[in-house]
Formats: sequence, C-alpha cells, structure tokens
Amino acid sequence: NAGVMQNPRHLVRRRGQEARLRCSPMKGHSHVYWYRQLPEEGLKFMVYLQKENIIDESGMPKERFSAEFPKEGPSILRIQQVVRGDSAAYFCASSPPPRGAGELFFGEGSRLTVL
Amino acid sequence: GEDVEQSLFLSVREGDSSVINCTYTDSSSTYLYWYKQEPGAGLQLLTYIFSNMDMKQDQRLTVLLNKKDKHLSLRIADTQTGDSAIYFCAESMGNNNDMRFGAGTRLTVKP
Repeated sequence: NAGVMQNPRHLVRRRGQEARLRCSPMKGHSHVYWYRQLPEEGLKFMVYLQKENIIDESGMPKERFSAEFPKEGPSILRIQQVVRGDSAAYFCASSPPPRGAGELFFGEGSRLTVL
Repeated sequence: GEDVEQSLFLSVREGDSSVINCTYTDSSSTYLYWYKQEPGAGLQLLTYIFSNMDMKQDQRLTVLLNKKDKHLSLRIADTQTGDSAIYFCAESMGNNNDMRFGAGTRLTVKP
C-alpha cells in the first residue's frame, strides 16, 4: 500500500497514560501534517513537519502534546498524561513540497479513546 | 467563529441532485477544495477551484464559487448510494499548512 499509513487505527488509554500515534507518509513525500477531528467538528490543524524539523506547530496545545518526524522512521504524535478531552480522531496527511493548489493525502486516522 | 462553515446534514434520494454549501471568511483564500470522507477512512480530495474561477465541472461534480459572497457549493448530479459520505469544504492560500476545513456535511442517499 503506497498510501499514508497510520497506526494504531484504534487506541484506548486511561487518563494519565501516554498515547503515541505513528504516521508513515506516502513514498516520496517529505511533508507531514497532523490534524485532529472532534465529533461534528472540522479537522483542526495541529502541526506541520518536514524531516527533522517542525515548521509550524501553531495548532498544537502548549502542554502534553509533541510531534517529531525523524530522519528515519515514521512521524510520531505523542500525547502525555491523556485526558478525556483528548479523545478524537487524529489524522495524518502528507504531501510533496507544496506547489500551486497542492493536495494533502490523508491516512485513515487513529481514533483515540480515553477512559 | 469558524473560518469555514457548512451545514452538518443533507439527505437526498438516489438519482436526485445534491447541493452542499459552504461559506468562508478569508477573502485572501486562493484555493477552495472539496474533500470526501467515507466511513472509517481518511479524507480524499474530490476537486478544487482556483479563486479566479467561478465554476468547475468534472463529470457528475459541479463546483460553483461566488467570491463576492464567499460562498462555495458542490453539486453532485444523479446522486448514488455510493456518494454517501462526509464532504468537507476547505480553503487555503496555497500553503498546505494553512488549509482550513469546515465541519463537514454528512450526505445520506436514500434508495
């Protein structure tokens, strides 16, 4: 499958635990974006990364959330000490360097449930 | 308020036309997009329109843009049950990280 791969698809955590969500971009894509989707809300931009660099993290909560995209391996979205309000679908998207209209290629999402 | 607004639900009968509407607030938006999300899946780009266009047609899909009113619509002709999905409107200045999405319109197609 040459598409954007996210895992796990479903993750259940208890309050206070850590959640790690992984995203492998499409082959040839060096730009990764993380979005959060709450029920009946649109996708909210969280962070934009290139290999080893965070380009824009303006949508990331100031505490408990972090993201990385190392030189080797997938991008990771990490949520520490999860709370019930973190329950959502987290989507990763990738793209080649943005040009013109651009297009984001989305993964199938990781659905986090915090008990 | 939201930068991009859509109604949440639309129900049509199979064979009818569906019209999904969207309003946005950023007059500097360069591109307007429609994405489709099927159950349990990620978003998939359906079509987009450049802001200096007022209409774009692609098979059963027609996109209309009223830049003055900041109103975008997606018309699906001869709607099929396979068109049942959530449709997201999005706007951007051409940088992927500034793409702003609406809440999505859940289209239900009844046989």
